[in-house]
Amino acid sequence: ETGVTQSPTHLIKTRGQQVTLRCSSQSGHNTVSWYQQALGQGPQFIFQYYREEENGRGNFPPRFSGLQFPNYSSELNVNALELDDSALYLCASSLEGLAGVETQYFGPGTRLLVL
Amino acid sequence: AQSVTQPDIHITVSEGASLELRCNYSYGATPYLFWYVQSPGQGLQLLLKYFSGDTLVQGIKGFEAEFKRSQSSFNLRKPSVHWSDAAEYFCAVGPTLSGNTPLVFGKGTRLSVIA
Repeated sequence: ETGVTQSPTHLIKTRGQQVTLRCSSQSGHNTVSWYQQALGQGPQFIFQYYREEENGRGNFPPRFSGLQFPNYSSELNVNALELDDSALYLCASSLEGLAGVETQYFGPGTRLLVL
Repeated sequence: AQSVTQPDIHITVSEGASLELRCNYSYGATPYLFWYVQSPGQGLQLLLKYFSGDTLVQGIKGFEAEFKRSQSSFNLRKPSVHWSDAAEYFCAVGPTLSGNTPLVFGKGTRLSVIA
């Protein structure tokens, strides 16, 4: 167990709807990264939040947005859902430090199905 | 840009046999390297990581991996596979820059274990 939790575990939406996914990071971690994992693929980086600010973004459109709260929990919001947004959404927490890349610990994911 | 290649999409081994999963990366400097395992419908669990130092790293569940700079490889090995090792395995690379940076994943290798 990594201590990273995500909710909900599963979600079904229809095209055009909006969705909010939630992540609670491991105790002591201040950075949250979100990844999208399509079926049969490796995870793809969406964005990262550090101390409530976006700290990097992958090749995803602006309808993918996020928030990080003072307790370092995070939300991923997706507007105007498309069929291709169907995927497993993974949250990873880590501790920002001066030593370089830190290990990211993943939650169990939220499986989103868009019909 | 960095990339990760896992040449084998699917591998089947007999229980008790040895295992090697291949991973090749493309990056201009020495990267940080990770192996994660994902059981069906689950998130990613960290098996092991290489940051620096000894090129042979030990991980959990009896896994080890060897970093070979000359071959740009970071292959995962296990001397005797157990049925519970059946899962999807992902190799990932993180650049050696300060601060948290996103991981770049390979497409994964699915391991099946037969009796």
